[in-house]
Amino acid sequence: GQNIDQPTEMTATEGAIVQINCTYQTSGFNGLFWYQQHAGEAPTFLSYNVLDGLEEKGRFSSFLSRSKGYSYLLLKELQMKDSASYLCAPMDSNYQLIWGAGTKLIIKP
Amino acid sequence: TAGITQAPTSQILAAGRSMTLRCTQDMRHNAMYWYRQDLGLGLRLIHYSNTAGTTGKGEVPDGYSVSRANTDDFPLTLASAVPSQTSVYFCASSDSSVTNTGELFFGEGSRLTVL
Repeated sequence: GQNIDQPTEMTATEGAIVQINCTYQTSGFNGLFWYQQHAGEAPTFLSYNVLDGLEEKGRFSSFLSRSKGYSYLLLKELQMKDSASYLCAPMDSNYQLIWGAGTKLIIKP
Repeated sequence: TAGITQAPTSQILAAGRSMTLRCTQDMRHNAMYWYRQDLGLGLRLIHYSNTAGTTGKGEVPDGYSVSRANTDDFPLTLASAVPSQTSVYFCASSDSSVTNTGELFFGEGSRLTVL
């Protein structure tokens, strides 16, 4: 079956760096998305990886290893506004997104 | 800037009643989706539509129906609501052309409580 595994909750300090891991098993693979979701709001797009390696976009970077079924989201210079849930979502062979339950990131001053 | 508009924002519904959640997008995206989000679970796909005039079943379609009469609108209907349908419902759209990453754009969500 298809499965996504990411930590339920993480805590980090303002100004620090945090890495959110995601492992996945899907029927086929057509890339992996990361979305950010603030409490009570809609998810918003952060990144998309289809090839192995690191994609950097400002303070956020996303890494993919297709052979390991593994991705991570790296957040640098953490700000209080980064407190949110981060959703890992690989795309299967039918181009459907398979969503993890998300990692709730708590930023402390 | 509009994007995707959902209505209502929230609703309390008696069990057994019918309800239609509305979703309209102005981005001319060909693909649209309905998801439900429950605490501790990932987003689960209810129904989708790859293009106007076509619909498909997602992971949890039972108790729900959709229609796609035109590009912009994708309503979700609960014919006879049950308490297990209490959830937050998100409508989303994407431009699924081959040159696009398939990024989803979400509406603000509709919080439905069935009593």
